[in-house]
Order: sequence, then structure tokens, then C-alpha cells
Amino acid sequence: GAGVSQSPSNKVTEKGKDVELRCDPISGHTALYWYRQSLGQGLEFLIYFQGNSAPDKSGLPSDRFSAERTGGSVSTLTIQRTQQEDSAVYLCASSLGLQTYEQYFGPGTRLTVT
Amino acid sequence: QKEVEQDPGPLSVPEGAIVSLNCTYSNSAFQYFMWYRQYSRKGPELLMYTYSSGNKEDGRFTAQVDKSSKYISLFIRDSQPSDSATYLCANSQGSNYKLTFGKGTLLTVNP
Repeated sequence: GAGVSQSPSNKVTEKGKDVELRCDPISGHTALYWYRQSLGQGLEFLIYFQGNSAPDKSGLPSDRFSAERTGGSVSTLTIQRTQQEDSAVYLCASSLGLQTYEQYFGPGTRLTVT
Repeated sequence: QKEVEQDPGPLSVPEGAIVSLNCTYSNSAFQYFMWYRQYSRKGPELLMYTYSSGNKEDGRFTAQVDKSSKYISLFIRDSQPSDSATYLCANSQGSNYKLTFGKGTLLTVNP
């Protein structure tokens, strides 16, 4: 079956511009996660959506970052006024409800801010 | 101190070697322990998970958890070149909790 998909796969943007990254989770998965992976930094948790509950936004590094999930499915991560330190791979994952330990990851969006 | 510490390597071994990958953690509340494998330019994939101390075996892979010393290990027997990847340990306080990842260990298995 289809896995988690993300678009675009690569994004180059100029400093100060806004970007939107998209995630399509596995059908039927109620939980969705965004992570950031920088060189040598491992996976940094950003935000977690679980069903209709309020999202856990505790990992968002600044108010320039926001995410929404429409209709319990597709999610968009928005970064406003991008900075060079935002350059990283942004990974999305989904899981079946409460089984947060078994996350299925997408291939990521490689963001480069010039 | 980070909640999950992992030696980044790189680790290079010959084909057929036994590989030992390790993580330590500081949060006593962690209940679930996972190992993810990430190939270059791909998303991580779950290899194994356990929620208790002791060993769990799956084919050539064995996950070991020692909660008393807050130490988790992944052993790979008869390593293959296809095992070359970054291995990430991850912990959580339980089902429905977010995961905390280590930085990952880059493993290369040489034919």
C-alpha cells in the first residue's frame, strides 16, 4: 500500500521567504508527526497531531513555524521568514492512533535557505 | 545532558562481523525502546521495539534493554553490506507519547 508521501522533495528558497511543506500520511493513521533533521543533530521533534485532540506544539523552535492538519489527513508545515538555520530535512511520520512507537516516515523534504 | 545519548560513529566493520550499537538515556520514565534504521536520503524505518528489560530477537537483530543502568543496545549478527545505514535509537514514556531520538550511529559494512 501507499506509504507516507511528502512534497516537494527538495526546496530552495531565499532568506526571508515563506515556505510550505506538505505531508500525506498513510490512510487510516490518526497520528501525524513532523521532525527536523539537521546534519549531525539527529531527529528533532517539532509537532504531533493525534486525532481531533489539540496538537502538541512543544517542539516548534519559534513562532515562525506552524502546522495544520486538515480533515484529519493531510498536513502542512509552514515556515515564515525563513532563516539559513532553517536549512534541514523535514520529515513527516504517521502512526496508527496510540502506537506512537511504530511510526512510518516519509522520504522528507530537503530545505535549503540561501 | 540530552535525554538520549548515542555515539555517532562512524563505525566500519567487515562483512560477517557482529555489530554492537548502543545508547544511554537519562529519563527514568521511558517505557518503550525502539531502533530505527535510516538509509541515505530516506526516512527512518522501524527495526524493533520493546517495552521491557531483557532481550528481543528478530532474525539477525537482537535488541537489549537494561533499565537499571539506562542502557540499550542493538546487536547485528552476520552483518551484510545491505546493513550499511544510520541506526537511531528512540525512547518514549509510553504509547501515545512522542519519541525522543538519539543522533544516530553511521554503520558501514565492507564486503
